[in-house]
Amino acid sequence: NAGVTQTPKFRVLKTGQSMTLLCAQDMNHEYMYWYRQDPGMGLRLIHYSVGEGTTAKGEVPDGYNVSRLKKQNFLLGLESAAPSQTSVYFCASSPTGSGGYTFGSGTRLTVV
Amino acid sequence: SQQGEEDPQALSIQEGENATMNCSYKTSINNLQWYRQNSGRGLVHLILIRSNEREKHSGRLRVTLDTSKKSSSLLITASRAADTASYFCATEHSGSARQLTFGSGTQLTVLP
Repeated sequence: NAGVTQTPKFRVLKTGQSMTLLCAQDMNHEYMYWYRQDPGMGLRLIHYSVGEGTTAKGEVPDGYNVSRLKKQNFLLGLESAAPSQTSVYFCASSPTGSGGYTFGSGTRLTVV
Repeated sequence: SQQGEEDPQALSIQEGENATMNCSYKTSINNLQWYRQNSGRGLVHLILIRSNEREKHSGRLRVTLDTSKKSSSLLITASRAADTASYFCATEHSGSARQLTFGSGTQLTVLP
């Protein structure tokens, strides 16, 4: 099925470890986003990209880095994981014109 | 900071009844969108209403937008048990690279 694919689906990290979350979309969307979702809260934007080779900070960027080397991929990195980064992470993409986002199924990350 | 705030936070109804959820926001928007999230899944786009539109329909969904009051409502008619999910409103603002700001959601439970 066409859409947004996130890997991995689950991960447990120890404090201080690093990891990269992968997001791939096959809809030729220009815009891609990383959000985190915490219990009882809506989604908060971490970083976003308006095209290949470009990235920008969102509402909660601290502790995360991103890269968009190819149009279809958007990577989210945690260099030194902290318990406060325990969350569910969602990647999404959208076209440049009007239209809704397409979301991935999420990555549930626990930092112990 | 979250732009949209949903009301109520939780809603429980019987199958066949209508469900109404409300969303308020703070600053001017390009459009407002509604998403559904089933437990443990990603968000699914339901409907988008532009700032110059007042009402929009899609199947059993009816969305209204009142820009003077900075509020929107989502009506689900003849609800089904399968409509049980969390519903989020999200706002898109001018010059925002189509970033969406999400509310904290309404948990809808439809009892069979």
